Amino acid sequence: DQQVKQNSPSLSVQEGRISILNCDYTNSMFDYFLWYKKYPAEGPTFLISISSIKDKNEDGRFTVFLNKSAKHLSLHIVPSQPGDSAVYFCAARSNFGNEKLTFGTGTRLTIIP
Amino acid sequence: DGGITQSPKYLFRKEGQNVTLSCEQNLNHDAMYWYRQDPGQGLRLIYYSQIVNDFQKGDIAEGYSVSREKKESFPLTVTSAQKNPTAFYLCASSIGAGAESPLHFGNGTRLTVT
Repeated sequence: DQQVKQNSPSLSVQEGRISILNCDYTNSMFDYFLWYKKYPAEGPTFLISISSIKDKNEDGRFTVFLNKSAKHLSLHIVPSQPGDSAVYFCAARSNFGNEKLTFGTGTRLTIIP
Repeated sequence: DGGITQSPKYLFRKEGQNVTLSCEQNLNHDAMYWYRQDPGQGLRLIYYSQIVNDFQKGDIAEGYSVSREKKESFPLTVTSAQKNPTAFYLCASSIGAGAESPLHFGNGTRLTVT
């Protein structure tokens, strides 16, 4: 049962344009969401997060939007740069119980120069 | 320079052998985790530990064992009982308590069992 879903396995975007990565979740107990970026043969690195009490969080070129009623979040990257080419994982955590992270399956973003 | 060190980067074993993957952190984090990554399946939690001498099973603990004798170290043993051990294994740590503590990951160990 995939509680965090990233339905687009891959995405290609022209350099300088906006990249939008999407993530859906099913567990209404999730109240904290994170995005990680991963290069091949490396561990994921934390990118940006959002608490369920907010609907937007911005950090430089990265903005995460949360729509709780739709159980949907998205990561916007503007403008996209070649170094943004990587696999992006969405993750969610519940503040009850063991606080473990549940990850999505990832979206491979390719920025076209 | 604080971080998480996983060793070795690549590991090869014969089927039927147990193998232990090393994970060390100098971030003074209380919580440590082991994840497994397979193509198309994202990251799945194997075991985690929120404090020394205590650990809990994750979603796919069968065929694995861990220990947490020191705060800095959280080794993972892949036993011969694990049916599909070939994968990319990631160790992570976090400050601990509270939902808003991102995981910091090591660079992973790719295990190949033949």
